[in-house]
Amino acid sequence: GAVVSQHPSRVICKSGTSVKIECRSLDFQATTMFWYRQFPKKSLMLMATSNEGSKATYEQGVEKDKFLINHASLTLSTLTVTSAHPEDSSFYICSARVRDRGYEKLFFGSGTQLSVL
Amino acid sequence: DAKTTQPPSMDCAEGRAANLPCNHSTISGNEYVYWYRQIHSQGPQYIIHGLKNNETNEMASLIITEDRKSSTLILPHATLRDTAVYYCIVTLGGGNTGKLIFGQGTTLQVKP
Repeated sequence: GAVVSQHPSRVICKSGTSVKIECRSLDFQATTMFWYRQFPKKSLMLMATSNEGSKATYEQGVEKDKFLINHASLTLSTLTVTSAHPEDSSFYICSARVRDRGYEKLFFGSGTQLSVL
Repeated sequence: DAKTTQPPSMDCAEGRAANLPCNHSTISGNEYVYWYRQIHSQGPQYIIHGLKNNETNEMASLIITEDRKSSTLILPHATLRDTAVYYCIVTLGGGNTGKLIFGQGTTLQVKP
């Protein structure tokens, strides 16, 4: 299957700093990527849809100025958590839409565990 | 997207078949049933999907009822590595999956 690489896998930062998470499609081009967050023992919550060359579409309740998404190329989308606070601590996961054997599926990165002190 | 209902947890003995049910009574005619699983602290992994016919691949089988209001994911010979949260998702598929909205899923515990 297609490979989606997410980096870093784990990051610890101080409150008030910004953190950038990268999501790369390694062997395919992804015009659309999705960003999710997940709290412990909870399901994945969709944050936003990232489209190459255009502004991201955010889900209701997700602050676009807090979670900056950039999808400048067909293989890279980034999520920047600005002025992070402890409540932003979470598991962030990206995914890319891929056409595989005639159907489109989502392949996911391995996730980034963000801890804000 | 149609909502799905899954049992919160299930146990299965290693080597036996694991049958995970999913109800999606409000599914519309052009929506597909997708199954993903998430092993602890990893990103979700695609398992299988279908529209109305039963499907099988190297990982699992998907049985969809004739009225399409429910489905069952079958792992034919569960191993300890199949312990994970399994998500049943109904969404537009085929040429455009759209976005995947995850429910609470079923935590499958495979026991030796």
